[in-house]
Amino acid sequence: QSALTQPASVSGSPGQSITLSCTGTSSDVGNYNYVSWYQQLPGKAPKLMIYDVSHRPSGVSDRFSGSKSGNTASLTISGLQPDDEATYYCSSYTRSSTLGVFGGGTKLTVL
Amino acid sequence: EVQLVESGGGLVKPGGSLRLSCAASGFTFSSHTMNWVRQSPGKGLEWVASISGTSSYVFYADSVRGRFSISRDNANNSLHLQMNSLRGEDTAVYYCARDALLFDLWGRGTLVTVSS
Repeated sequence: QSALTQPASVSGSPGQSITLSCTGTSSDVGNYNYVSWYQQLPGKAPKLMIYDVSHRPSGVSDRFSGSKSGNTASLTISGLQPDDEATYYCSSYTRSSTLGVFGGGTKLTVL
Repeated sequence: EVQLVESGGGLVKPGGSLRLSCAASGFTFSSHTMNWVRQSPGKGLEWVASISGTSSYVFYADSVRGRFSISRDNANNSLHLQMNSLRGEDTAVYYCARDALLFDLWGRGTLVTVSS
């Protein structure tokens, strides 16, 4: 069982906006702004999409945005495109361990 | 080109050892904390080990502490993971990834299969 909880799957239609959730505790997401999001295409390495809750690395589309409320972080993808179909993982610093933790991943299907 | 390239994976018997390497290029390697992250077949990501830029700090997941050892050679821009007493549950693709708390650069990974 992963330390951070993500829904196993979500789906959306092209052009739609969709929000993926990542629920932790006060030991991680709730008290630290070190939440990151990664996109993993099938057979590929993960790619950093969001860091420090809401910051986008250079080169990542502004259709991707991050936020946090309480113990839950969120990744919003606007103007959904077929190429966005992937598995998305969140991660966070945690005071419960010397290393951070990942969520179990959410598989996004673009219908 | 900024990149990380892993090597050293393969098939090993339970109880055996393997040493993974990660060659870094295109950036100042010694300035960055480096990590190993693994992904079991069809499963999610697991943070395995981290090492600070000067090797002053190393951290391990509970699942590998005492069996795995992370090290780095800043003169040769390389990261290593010595894996001993391997178990079936260590079977995974092992990625090296740059930076602490945010992995902004990943290699393509190397597959480690532990099986008799």
